[in-house]
Amino acid sequence: SQQGEEDPQALSIQEGENATMNCSYKTSINNLQWYRQNSGRGLVHLILIRSNEREKHSGRLRVTLDTSKKSSSLLITASRAADTASYFCATVEGLNYGGATNKLIFGTGTLLAVQP
Amino acid sequence: GAVVSQHPSWVICKSGTSVKIECRSLDFQATTMFWYRQFPKQSLMLMATSNEGSKATYEQGVEKDKFLINHASLTLSTLTVTSAHPEDSSFYICSAGGGFLRFDYGYTFGSGTRLTVV
Repeated sequence: SQQGEEDPQALSIQEGENATMNCSYKTSINNLQWYRQNSGRGLVHLILIRSNEREKHSGRLRVTLDTSKKSSSLLITASRAADTASYFCATVEGLNYGGATNKLIFGTGTLLAVQP
Repeated sequence: GAVVSQHPSWVICKSGTSVKIECRSLDFQATTMFWYRQFPKQSLMLMATSNEGSKATYEQGVEKDKFLINHASLTLSTLTVTSAHPEDSSFYICSAGGGFLRFDYGYTFGSGTRLTVV
């Protein structure tokens, strides 16, 4: 099952510009995570924001969460060509809060292309 | 940090044969592993949740007899695609959870396996 959708589906920007991706989800969540996937590779965890948090920063990444709207955004500042990848939001479903055994459900993804 | 090793990276097999994909947690014990399938330019679809020492839990629409999952130890889960057909061609990715990895620190993924059935 798919949790939600991401917008835009594809984004092309110039190096140095900022990239913003949006994610909407459908159910109540404990946390929302963002992952990056380079073409044909596995996923790399970028950042996690809990349901009681509204904004979080990590390096050039900024994530916001609006639980009333069931939406999140990922901002990548001062983009680089190496940021070219697909970006996915994912939410944790399940009731087990004792460990990482809850299902992680992914959004549809945004393909980001950063032109040098 | 936590590392998940997935093998093989790619495999080509003939229609009707079976293919086994391995997912190993290298430096931690994974009580739970997740198997995903990804079609080109699409998102990851959860296929099943693999629990050590018990039967896997399959998502709706996933054929249990087609995709056999075994999680015999805390460091190894395998996905066997039985009697593979061209429509099974896809990118399969595993993810590990459990042990010291709390869900609020993110999940660790394998590098994926590209399966092509000819």
